[in-house]
Amino acid sequence: QVQLKESGPGLVQPSQTLSLTCTVSGFSLMDYSVHWVRQPPGKGLEWMGRMKYDGDTYYNSALKSRLSISRDTSKSQVFLKMNSLQTEDTAIYYCTRDYFDYWGQGVMVTVSS
Amino acid sequence: DVVLTQTPPTLSATIGQSVSISCRSSQSLLHSNGNTYLNWLLQRPGQPPQLLIYLVSRLESGVPNRFSGSGSGTDFTLKISGVEAEDLGVYYCVQSTHAPWTFGGGTKLELK
Repeated sequence: QVQLKESGPGLVQPSQTLSLTCTVSGFSLMDYSVHWVRQPPGKGLEWMGRMKYDGDTYYNSALKSRLSISRDTSKSQVFLKMNSLQTEDTAIYYCTRDYFDYWGQGVMVTVSS
Repeated sequence: DVVLTQTPPTLSATIGQSVSISCRSSQSLLHSNGNTYLNWLLQRPGQPPQLLIYLVSRLESGVPNRFSGSGSGTDFTLKISGVEAEDLGVYYCVQSTHAPWTFGGGTKLELK
């Protein structure tokens, strides 16, 4: 069955870089796109960026200068890297497939010293 | 960027009541290929969002048929015909017609 699972550190210091991994199963990254979406505590959903099935990427313009999404198709993994983290980047980070039909459980990332 | 405006922000309902949520887009969501990429999601407390409706009105597999979607262009509606306790949570519309992808602000469904 289709599954996505996010992994990464729960705590990041201000100004540091966040690195997250989305490991997928039940489908190929060469057939489906994967998005990253985040949700600050008590707030709504924010689309961050997308890794398309052909390897192309697209980013939220508000995050583009700090954000990078890449993948390793042999390992069925999509990576998110975001630098210069601030407290307002504290959120649950989700990866989700193509038309938002399958979601990971999310990983809570807290930015704090 | 496309802005999706959901109303109301909060909805109080009794079990069995029928309710509707509106999602209005700042521009038409009709794609040049003829599809309209407007989905509805439900996020229950402490859970990731789940897909309820895709392409405006198509029910995702396993979703109860008390949920229905309608609309076109810039105006869309999610209707729940007979709210059940498991329906409580926050509903989001999301569009995939125009990059960047955008979400509505959410509608919280509570018990009255």
